[in-house]
Order: sequence, then structure tokens, then C-alpha cells
Amino acid sequence: KNQVEQSPQSLIILEGKNCTLQCNYTVSPFSNLRWYKQDTGRGPVSLTIMTFSENTKSNGRYTATLDADTKQSSLHITASQLSDSASYICVVSGNSGGYQKVTFGTGTKLQVIP
Amino acid sequence: EPEVTQTPSHQVTQMGQEVILRCVPISNHLYFYWYRQILGQKVEFLVSFYNNEISEKSEIFDDQFSVERPDGSNFTLKIRSTKLEDSAMYFCASKGAGETQYFGPGTRLLVL
Repeated sequence: KNQVEQSPQSLIILEGKNCTLQCNYTVSPFSNLRWYKQDTGRGPVSLTIMTFSENTKSNGRYTATLDADTKQSSLHITASQLSDSASYICVVSGNSGGYQKVTFGTGTKLQVIP
Repeated sequence: EPEVTQTPSHQVTQMGQEVILRCVPISNHLYFYWYRQILGQKVEFLVSFYNNEISEKSEIFDDQFSVERPDGSNFTLKIRSTKLEDSAMYFCASKGAGETQYFGPGTRLLVL
């Protein structure tokens, strides 16, 4: 069964600090992995997308890594800001029977405090 | 910057009623999706739509659900006879030639 597990479930950090969120997946075959930021009550917003051949991708203060061998990804946030407070969702897509299967993680709820 | 829009933002309905959720995808996109998120739970895939037909659907997308692209701009999700457990936030997303799906702001559906 395709699964995407994220850790920690929630995290509180001080403004200006860095943090790393983890994602482990069992989706197979693998097509791509995306990180989304979701503010409460809003739709997810794409941060990064990585395919099998990419190990790292940056988007401003967000850097995602991917290890396709161990089926792990991380999202590193540098110099956190209060506006980074949100849920961060790992989404893994795989091809099955010619169709894309999309599996969402449960998210990590990040709170940045002053 | 172009964005996906959804209407209404909130909908309250009685159990057994039909609801239609509307989405206007980004104009040059060809792939369309519906997702739902029950309060406090993770986002779940419902259906994808391409070339005027469903390309994939999840086990959640049963006979009570249908999707349509009635004209060149709207993409709708219809729930024929709503149940209490259909209460959720429903997100529409669209995708162009790249891999990134762009999500709308969601419609919060409450079934009483």
C-alpha cells in the first residue's frame, strides 16, 4: 500500500532558527515528490518538486532533498520567519497502470514564534 | 499571476441534497483535479480529468460524485446526494505542461 509518513507531526521553533522536516514514503513506482505549504483553511502551495534523478532543489529559504534509494526526503527551512507558520505536506506521485497515483502525507504543523 | 479560483468559498447543505462545486482552472492548463480534506485530516485525491474525460479516480469517488467541464473555463464537481461524511474542504487543482499542480483556495462544504 502506498504510504507517505511525515515527522515530526508538529514543531515549534523560534523566529530566525532553521528546521528540517522529514518524509518517508513507500510509493512505488516513483514519479516525483513534492513539498507543499498549506496555511490554515487555504489550498496547498507548491514549494518544490523533484524527480527520481534529483537529490536537492531549493526555492528561496526552502531546500528539499531526496534519497530515492532509502525513499526519504527532507525539507530544510533556513532563517525561519513568522509567515512560515503552516502545515508542510509531502506528496508522492507514482505511475500505476498508466495513471498517476498521488499520495499525500499527513503534514508537519510548523509554528514559528517570536 | 494566474490562479485557480473556486466558488462558493463556503456551502452549507442538508443531507441528501445535491451540491455543485465550481472551479475555474488556470486558462492554458489541460489537467484538472479535485481533492478533499476532512477537518484535521490529510488531503485526499478524488479524481483527475484530462481531454474531457476522467483519467483516474480514487475509491472515494463513487457514483455519488461526478465531474464535468461544461464550457471552456469551468470545471465542476457534483455530489448527487450529500452525506454527513462529505463535509470537508474541497480543493480544485490544475496543471499545465509541467509537473506542478496549482491549487485553488477551496470550498468548505458542511452537510447538516
